[in-house]
Amino acid sequence: NAGVTQTPKFQVLKTGQSMTLQCAQDMNHNSMYWYRQDPGMGLRLIYYSASEGTTDKGEVPNGYNVSRLNKREFSLRLESAAPSQTSVYFCASKTGEATDTQYFGPGTRLTVL
Amino acid sequence: AQSVTQLDSQVPVFEEAPVELRCNYSSSVSVYLFWYVQYPNQGLQLLLKYLSGSTLVESINGFEAEFNKSQTSFHLRKPSVHISDTAEYFCAVTPADTHFNKFYFGSGTKLNVKP
Repeated sequence: NAGVTQTPKFQVLKTGQSMTLQCAQDMNHNSMYWYRQDPGMGLRLIYYSASEGTTDKGEVPNGYNVSRLNKREFSLRLESAAPSQTSVYFCASKTGEATDTQYFGPGTRLTVL
Repeated sequence: AQSVTQLDSQVPVFEEAPVELRCNYSSSVSVYLFWYVQYPNQGLQLLLKYLSGSTLVESINGFEAEFNKSQTSFHLRKPSVHISDTAEYFCAVTPADTHFNKFYFGSGTKLNVKP
């Protein structure tokens, strides 16, 4: 049981390049999330998927797209990376139960030059 | 709209001293409240949560938090800290009007325990 896994762990991009961050969970969770973490700002929700086949915007969705490929996988795509997207990105998942908490992946550290 | 405020960005404390990390939230609907801990270069881990019932909740490693509805606060306390408690702590809420699916985080408090 690996929990929540994220790939890659580190990535450096040039401005304008595109990339996809991958996230997978093996806990049969319904909900999945993408956050970015910036110093002094905590975690901010980019997108989330409450169940397979649905996605919703969070607080900071601009410049990102997501795909809930199946129940296990939830990817985050940067179509044209900008330096402002330099951040640490965390994926999380949660059961459908309201009282349950989220389980976080180890993070992807992205630098956009 | 929801918001979570952690009033202290950094808290230095000596080993075996007590500590309190403050968290206030703003919400027009009922919420569940959480504290998470993040060790360097790791993801977040749940420390404790308040859902309903007794307003005092405890974790397995000696932390406790008290929900105060009138003050909209959920402060985290530990009577005696250890070096190993050095980490960043995040307060979070999830409101009822998102079916408790959407989470809002505070900006974090870095706890630095000195020997």
